[in-house]
Amino acid sequence: KAGVTQTPRYLIKTRGQQVTLSCSPISGHRSVSWYQQTPGQGLQFLFEYFSETQRNKGNFPGRFSGRQFSNSRSEMNVSTLELGDSALYLCASSLDWGREKLFFGSGTQLSVL
Amino acid sequence: TQLLEQSPQFLSIQEGENLTVYCNSSSVFSSLQWYRQEPGEGPVLLVTVVTGGEVKKLKRLTFQFGDARKDSSLHITAAQPGDTGLYLCAGTFRQAGTALIFGKGTTLSVSS
Repeated sequence: KAGVTQTPRYLIKTRGQQVTLSCSPISGHRSVSWYQQTPGQGLQFLFEYFSETQRNKGNFPGRFSGRQFSNSRSEMNVSTLELGDSALYLCASSLDWGREKLFFGSGTQLSVL
Repeated sequence: TQLLEQSPQFLSIQEGENLTVYCNSSSVFSSLQWYRQEPGEGPVLLVTVVTGGEVKKLKRLTFQFGDARKDSSLHITAAQPGDTGLYLCAGTFRQAGTALIFGKGTTLSVSS
């Protein structure tokens, strides 16, 4: 069974640009969560999607958005990138919404110059 | 606001030593999880505890959940170089819904 797949693996952008990250959950998993990991703040919850609906949202500015498709794949978008957005963005999938067993992908390492 | 405190931040020990990592909160956890993360990878779930006073063992790893469900510990017996990594505790809290709140992690280095 394939794990959670995140693309791209690495990304370099400049301030002001926007970026879209992709996540394919484990087959059969219907819930996808996104987390931002930085050395200073650790892992912080961005949002969670289930059945194409955002079910929960963390304390991030509106520049961070996401969506989920009917096949449970998810994308997150960050607009008007700032230097502080440089981080490892992790996607995690679970069978259903609110299920505690999360399976994480390897992440997308975003560098903003 | 950081709901969850993890200590110590760094641990460097010799193979064969024992160690304990702590996870504390001023709020009651609905549930608590421990993860291990290796460089370049995402966190991997080790255990979930939900009942106050619960103790779970995973080979040389022992996980305890405090009676009041506000703290947890991870104890590793006879650490090995393969235990090296970032250990993260993560909890769910009633006020945060289904979101997992992570501690900042303990970086463990075990040398042979």
